[in-house]
Amino acid sequence: GAGVSQSPRYKVAKRGQDVALRCDPISGHVSLFWYQQALGQGPEFLTYFQNEAQLDKSGLPSDRFFAERPEGSVSTLKIQRTQQEDSAVYLCASSSSVAQFFGPGTRLTVL
Amino acid sequence: GIQVEQSPPDLILQEGANSTLRCNFSDSVNNLQWFHQNPWGQLINLFYIPSGTKQNGRLSATTVATERYSLLYISSSQTTDSGVYFCAVGDSNYQLIWGAGTKLIIKP
Repeated sequence: GAGVSQSPRYKVAKRGQDVALRCDPISGHVSLFWYQQALGQGPEFLTYFQNEAQLDKSGLPSDRFFAERPEGSVSTLKIQRTQQEDSAVYLCASSSSVAQFFGPGTRLTVL
Repeated sequence: GIQVEQSPPDLILQEGANSTLRCNFSDSVNNLQWFHQNPWGQLINLFYIPSGTKQNGRLSATTVATERYSLLYISSSQTTDSGVYFCAVGDSNYQLIWGAGTKLIIKP
């Protein structure tokens, strides 16, 4: 596609539910990033993939967060047993070199 | 880790005015990018500029790496320039550390 797409755009979950957020990067982009953005703040790095390899997951806040990119294209960020503090916008970006291009984000609200 | 400070935190201008946004960083970087987040939340990459000067239309950016700052210039601002401008830096080609942003409001 022409840009990075993410789905769903909005997700409301009850505390304790599992959620899965999808990212479709720009075709051919080797690098894929996940960020978490709280209201009024800049994005915070979660994890980075180069093709299917997860090279850095140092930003994942807990072991409830898991990301995968099994075929080196689409990526899924999974959050298990969601908590209220997980409420945020989750952003995906892809890159072919250095400049990162972002999707519209998924706004997650945990009740 | 690297610290990133942006100033001013908020800026309100009339349409047609010029503005300068600043990004200071605490350590040497080889990756610096400017982004605009529009009021609907979409992040747009404006510049990749670890050093030097670049221009794109009404926007230009300058990074003085030796003095650890970058400037984003917006000329003849339009209401569509409103939003939050972020500076993000890194010492690798992937992990970026983001500033808190400058919230810009352009009034018609």
